[in-house]
Amino acid sequence: QSALTQPASVSGSPGQSITISCTGTRNDIGSYSLGSWYQHHPGKAPKLIIYEDTKRPLGVSNRFSASKSGNTASLTISGLQAEDEAAYYCCSYAESHGYIFGTGTTVTVL
Amino acid sequence: EVQLLQSGGGSVQPGGSLRLSCEASGFTFRSYALTWVRQAPGKGLEWVSSIGGTGTNTFNADSVKGRFTISRDNSKNTLYLQMNTLRPEDTATYFCAKDRYLNRGGAFDAWGQGTMVTVYS
Repeated sequence: QSALTQPASVSGSPGQSITISCTGTRNDIGSYSLGSWYQHHPGKAPKLIIYEDTKRPLGVSNRFSASKSGNTASLTISGLQAEDEAAYYCCSYAESHGYIFGTGTTVTVL
Repeated sequence: EVQLLQSGGGSVQPGGSLRLSCEASGFTFRSYALTWVRQAPGKGLEWVSSIGGTGTNTFNADSVKGRFTISRDNSKNTLYLQMNTLRPEDTATYFCAKDRYLNRGGAFDAWGQGTMVTVYS
């Protein structure tokens, strides 16, 4: 099964808000409330920032929020900061295919 | 503090085998599913394989089915990935990850440091 579709890059100025989309199908994002988002800085381990579509783990900044509509999930980063510059991946459960990650989005803080 | 310490990996010729290990600490090991995720050079994250807390439920990506085997030893708090019949396209950094759930969930809330596997021809 193909990866979930994300924009290759998104950029914004400090303090602005940006949104990253993640498009799947009715067989993954559209069918399960098990979507997650990860922040990945180069050379480090990925970090869970959203789970169960919209929940934030303890310790994750409330500047990160997520939503879902149909087959598309979205991650919003508010009050963009330099430390937010990283790759972001969505992930969804898909019956008979296990888990599927998105293609990844590089966030650049201008 | 939850920690996942990976070992294994290295370089191997096509058709060869490697075993990755991931030793866990800081949580009740048997109560959580575990997963392997990889990242090929310059590419994105790819789910590889997952195993439930008891070790009886496993599932694998199509790309590794029949070649990779995930297992766990709950008495040693250790996760394994046995990789056989390796191909150049298996070249990647491999991460182990802990799920928030006993079985399927897909919320990987702790990760190992990653280990490089190179399959050279």
